[in-house]
Amino acid sequence: GAVVSQHPSWVICKSGTSVKIECRSLDFQATTMFWYRQFPKQSLMLMATSNEGSKATYEQGVEKDKFLINHASLTLSTLTVTSAHPEDSSFYICSARDRGQGVSPLHFGNGTRLTVT
Amino acid sequence: QKEVEQDPGPLSVPEGAIVSLNCTYSNSAFQYFMWYRQYSRKGPELLMYTYSSGNKEDGRFTAQVDKSSKYISLFIRDSQPSDSATYLCAPVETSGSRLTFGEGTQLTVNP
Repeated sequence: GAVVSQHPSWVICKSGTSVKIECRSLDFQATTMFWYRQFPKQSLMLMATSNEGSKATYEQGVEKDKFLINHASLTLSTLTVTSAHPEDSSFYICSARDRGQGVSPLHFGNGTRLTVT
Repeated sequence: QKEVEQDPGPLSVPEGAIVSLNCTYSNSAFQYFMWYRQYSRKGPELLMYTYSSGNKEDGRFTAQVDKSSKYISLFIRDSQPSDSATYLCAPVETSGSRLTFGEGTQLTVNP
C-alpha cells in the first residue's frame, strides 16, 4: 500500500527558532501533498496544499510567511515553521495522493508533534 | 452550518458489540466518501472508500452511503479492543481533491 513517511515524529524547540518537517511518499509519486494541523481532541484542519513545482495554496487564516512550504520533487514536501512560538505547538500531519489515481484516497504520514518552549 | 457533522462521542461499547458511526453533510458536491481511523498520536489511516450510494463491506467493516439524505455510516461488527480509536469521515468533491473531515468520533471498546 501507499506509504507516506513524515520526519521527525516529534520535536521540541525554543521560541523564536525554526523547525522543518519533511513528508515523503515512499512508493508513489505525489503531485499534490497536504499539510494539516490538529489540536488535542479536535479534527484535522487543512493548512495548505503543496503543489510540486509551484507555490503552495494556503487556507484562510494560515500565515504563508510563517509556515513555509516547499514541494521540490514528486516525493518530497517540507513544512518549515519559522520563528516558532508556544501557540504553534501542535500535531502537524502531511498527506499525499497518488498522482496516477485521480480522485483517490489520501494517505497520511504519522504526524509530527511540535512543542515550542 | 458545518459542511460535515459528526458526533464526537465519546462512544464506549463492550467487546463484540456492533458499532454504528455516522456523519451528515450539506455539500451536494461531495461524491466520494472515506472513513479514516486515527489512533492516539498517529496519523489517520484509510479504512474504507466508497463512491456510490449503498453498502460496501470489508471484513468487519461496512460503509453505507445515502446520498439522497446526505448521510453516511460506518458499521463495525464484532468490535474488538483494538478498534478503540477516533473515526473520521471525510467526503470529497468530484472536481477537487481536498478532504473535509468530520470532527471524529472517539470509540472505546471495552474487553
